[in-house]
Amino acid sequence: EAGVTQFPSHSVIEKGQTVTLRCDPISGHDNLYWYRRVMGKEIKFLLHFVKESKQDESGMPNNRFLAERTGGTYSTLKVQPAELEDSGVYFCASSQDNRVSEKLFFGSGTQLSVL
Amino acid sequence: AQSVTQLGSHVSVSEGALVLLRCNYSSSVPPYLFWYVQYPNQGLQLLLKYTSAATLVKGINGFEAEFKKSETSFHLTKPSAHMSDAAEYFCAVSPYDKVIFGPGTSLSVIP
Repeated sequence: EAGVTQFPSHSVIEKGQTVTLRCDPISGHDNLYWYRRVMGKEIKFLLHFVKESKQDESGMPNNRFLAERTGGTYSTLKVQPAELEDSGVYFCASSQDNRVSEKLFFGSGTQLSVL
Repeated sequence: AQSVTQLGSHVSVSEGALVLLRCNYSSSVPPYLFWYVQYPNQGLQLLLKYTSAATLVKGINGFEAEFKKSETSFHLTKPSAHMSDAAEYFCAVSPYDKVIFGPGTSLSVIP
């Protein structure tokens, strides 16, 4: 069974440019989460999809970030325009249901560097 | 507010020695608690979780953690470190509807 896959694994862009990160969850997992880890600090929650709907986007830092999950399968996270403080590792995770005790399956992350 | 602290951003142990990674949490309600591990170039994997059953939880690869409510702690231990245990370890708490992670502890194992 394929795990959670993220693309690209690394992205280096200049301030002001646009970047789109993609996440493919495990097939059949309705719940998809985006997290971010900045400068070796804690992994912070960004948002949660249930199928194609945004269940919770309270962690999205500002309106430069746009997440979509059309069709309830893969998800994209677009940053436009990117700023220096957006650098970090962006993780995607999925789970079968949204119980808080449920195990999360993580992708290996996208390392974003904004110069 | 819920939060997780992990004492020591870097821990080094000798191969065969005890591994002890510390985690303390704050939560206004009885939480679920987790330890995740991230090996180089991989995603986070669940090591173990506490969900209000037994306070001593056994996980994969010989790790275990004990929930101590009075100390609000959930420290991770392994009796004997192996080289393959070198990784980053994240403690996490889930009181309501999302998982809150600590800053992580990087474990080095010295031959």
